[in-house]
Amino acid sequence: DARVTQTPRHKVTEMGQEVTMRCQPILGHNTVFWYRQTMMQGLELLAYFRNRAPLDDSGMPKDRFSAEMPDATLATLKIQPSEPRDSAVYFCASGLVQAEAFFGQGTRLTVV
Amino acid sequence: GENVEQHPSTLSVQEGDSAVIKCTYSDSASNYFPWYKQELGKRPQLIIDIRSNVGEKKDQRIAVTLNKTAKHFSLHITETQPEDSAVYFCAASKVGGNTGKLIFGQGTTLQVKP
Repeated sequence: DARVTQTPRHKVTEMGQEVTMRCQPILGHNTVFWYRQTMMQGLELLAYFRNRAPLDDSGMPKDRFSAEMPDATLATLKIQPSEPRDSAVYFCASGLVQAEAFFGQGTRLTVV
Repeated sequence: GENVEQHPSTLSVQEGDSAVIKCTYSDSASNYFPWYKQELGKRPQLIIDIRSNVGEKKDQRIAVTLNKTAKHFSLHITETQPEDSAVYFCAASKVGGNTGKLIFGQGTTLQVKP
């Protein structure tokens, strides 16, 4: 049963610290999305990759957020420095060119 | 930019009744419209999708309709059951080439009362 794997599942960190979230997409998928979910904002698209190349990161605060795909089996989302308003659940999703997205279980981030 | 509006934000129905959730999209080039269900504390999961070359698609108690002219699409759940209680998200995307960005609506919290 192929699944998108995200680590860590939970992260509590102090304001100002760097946070790195990791995602292993489903083998063979060429599209990776990063979404942020809060109660007020629904599923907010942060970044989107096709064949490891970033196609759109317009939803991401550029001064503190960065997203990369060092290889086809790993996508990362970094926040530096983290702030309390970054507290949310971060989802990674992967798919094929048909655009159906399979979500990971999410990383619940709390910045205190 | 692309935008998807979803209504209502909350919906409460009695078990056995029907539920309808509506979405509108801004980008006329959108041609793929999935619906996701998210149970409390879990990941969103695809329940049904429709492409722009069809106007309606059904899967047991769930159906989706698409009106490309009006740029809106709807999810219909018939004979609702308590286990249908969840947050439902619509989304829109342009498929093919270097597109495929998936934009979600704000979500609808459905409560089915026994």
